[in-house]
Amino acid sequence: DIVVTQSPLSLAVTPGEAASISCRSSQRLLQSNGDNHLDWYVQKPGQSPQLLIYLASNRASGVPDRFTGSGSGTYFTLKISRVEAEDVGVYYCMQALQTPGFGQGTRLEIK
Amino acid sequence: QLRLQLSGPGLVKPSETLSLTCTVSGASITSRTFFWGWVRQPPGKGLEWLGSVSYSGSTYYNPSLKSRLSTSVDASANQFSLRLTSVTAADTAVYYCAGRDGDNYDRDYWGQGTLVTVSS
Repeated sequence: DIVVTQSPLSLAVTPGEAASISCRSSQRLLQSNGDNHLDWYVQKPGQSPQLLIYLASNRASGVPDRFTGSGSGTYFTLKISRVEAEDVGVYYCMQALQTPGFGQGTRLEIK
Repeated sequence: QLRLQLSGPGLVKPSETLSLTCTVSGASITSRTFFWGWVRQPPGKGLEWLGSVSYSGSTYYNPSLKSRLSTSVDASANQFSLRLTSVTAADTAVYYCAGRDGDNYDRDYWGQGTLVTVSS
């Protein structure tokens, strides 16, 4: 089974500053066609998860360009260039190369 | 706009079967590119992928639940369903239904989530 591990598990950021979350996979998530099957979701308080990034680096519709996904193989990163109050929530990476699995989640708080 | 509406009991007794139904609107459940899935979240914990079913009825399950879990599609009602047998308190969670277009991952949709408590 593929296991994805996130770090940090929590972070507090001053509005306007940057934040970064990493996700490491126990196996390569790179498919032969060049796609990395790693997605990023955010679950805002009291809401269902919503897709931020798919296939490692593609921003979902309506997601601000402050959010950037990168990485390949076994190491991936989600960066928020200028954190805003509305970004508070728990961020999850999810591998979808095999039976899908989520990371533990990273709680983002505002200082 | 595709929408998912989850329905089912909020309370299930231990050892009984948990059944949930997700009604799809704004798209056909038989769309050849969509996968329909289930995710749960125990109180205060993270997300756990449970399983999914395609338009054709092909199923994919979390290995840890495979012996107790089944998912199916009801094309006539534009619904898909989850059945989890022999539930215990560990199955208490908010359950979500979700749909994703396998040809366009940007088309990713989630229902509102429902808390299911396993208790006598």
